[in-house]
Amino acid sequence: GQNIDQPTEMTATEGAIVQINCTYQTSGFNGLFWYQQHAGEAPTFLSYNVLDGLEEKGRFSSFLSRSKGYSYLLLKELQMKDSASYLCAPMDSNYQLIWGAGTKLIIKP
Amino acid sequence: GAVVSQHPSRVICKSGTSVKIECRSLDFQATTMFWYRQFPKQSLMLMATSNEGSKATYEQGVEKDKFLINHASLTLSTLTVTSAHPEDSSFYICSVTHLDSDTSKQFFGPGTRLTVL
Repeated sequence: GQNIDQPTEMTATEGAIVQINCTYQTSGFNGLFWYQQHAGEAPTFLSYNVLDGLEEKGRFSSFLSRSKGYSYLLLKELQMKDSASYLCAPMDSNYQLIWGAGTKLIIKP
Repeated sequence: GAVVSQHPSRVICKSGTSVKIECRSLDFQATTMFWYRQFPKQSLMLMATSNEGSKATYEQGVEKDKFLINHASLTLSTLTVTSAHPEDSSFYICSVTHLDSDTSKQFFGPGTRLTVL
């Protein structure tokens, strides 16, 4: 079957760094997306990885290891506005995104 | 700017009525749009894939006669919740797929919060 495994909730301090891990199993693979979702809002696109390695985009970086079925999202210099849910979504062989429940990130002052 | 719009953003209706939600792709033509539903504190659930000019493909467990999808043009898809009941209260989100040079990205609409009394 297809499944996503992320921590349910994480807490971090403003200004710090946090890494959100994701392991996945899919039927085929066409890349992995990370989305940010604030409460009551639709998800917004953060990053896309299709090859192994690290993709850096400002304060956010995303890493992928296809052989391990593993990805992480790294958030640096955390700000209060980063409090949100972070969704790891791999794309299967049908180009369909597979969604988990996401990780709720709580930022404390 | 916004790539995908949805209307209305919020709707409250009585049980038994029908509600239509519009999803528009603003920046590009979308042959495929997706409809998701999200209950509080749960993950996004794909309801159906909307294909321009043809019938939508529904996920298992989603009643096609209850959730009518029309994708009449390359920029507009509509979801109609027929004879809505309180258990249909949810956050409905559409997305469109944009194929660029090296990736297929999904852009989400802002969502529609439906409350059925």
